[in-house]
Amino acid sequence: QQQVKQSPQSLIVQKGGIPIINCAYENTAFDYFPWYQQFPGKGPALLIAIRPDVSEKKEGRFTISFNKSAKQFSLHIMDSQPGDSATYFCAASLTGNQFYFGTGTSLTVIP
Amino acid sequence: GAVVSQHPSRVICKSGTSVKIECRSLDFQATTMFWYRQFPKQSLMLMATSNEGSKATYEQGVEKDKFLINHASLTLSTLTVTSAHPEDSSFYICSANLGQSYNSPLHFGNGTRLTVT
Repeated sequence: QQQVKQSPQSLIVQKGGIPIINCAYENTAFDYFPWYQQFPGKGPALLIAIRPDVSEKKEGRFTISFNKSAKQFSLHIMDSQPGDSATYFCAASLTGNQFYFGTGTSLTVIP
Repeated sequence: GAVVSQHPSRVICKSGTSVKIECRSLDFQATTMFWYRQFPKQSLMLMATSNEGSKATYEQGVEKDKFLINHASLTLSTLTVTSAHPEDSSFYICSANLGQSYNSPLHFGNGTRLTVT
């Protein structure tokens, strides 16, 4: 059973556009929601994370929106650049010891 | 900078041989490390949780005799793929929590690309 559902599977946007990646979860006990960015041949790198007591978190061009009642959270990338082209994974954590990952979104930003 | 170091980054071996992959936490102690496997264009699949000083906890469907995990120190965990076969070819990634609080993020190594010929 997929604990965290992620969509879309792939996304293509023009430079300057705002790609949005969505994730949904079922377990209300999850208490930490990170996003990871992965380039080909590299391990995932932590991008930004949020706790369930906050509805939005912004770091640079990256923003997480969190809807606790809907059990959904999303990643927005403002003013996207070709260098943002990568695979993005959302995750949900239970007490920091168990992490459940979404299936990933391949983002392509066209110059 | 990197907080988790993984070595080697690439390895090619012949079928039937064993391969060891090392995962080190840099500048912090990790009582728990996690080993993932990733197929092309797919998500991360947790293989096992490596516990310092005790046996690893394997996920359902992962052969513990094939994927040997040793976590002998607080900064080093190793994954040994024994009697490797071509179907074991994959991208293996380790990770560790930087802290022990409930919202400590996972930090990943750069992965090891294993190719079994």
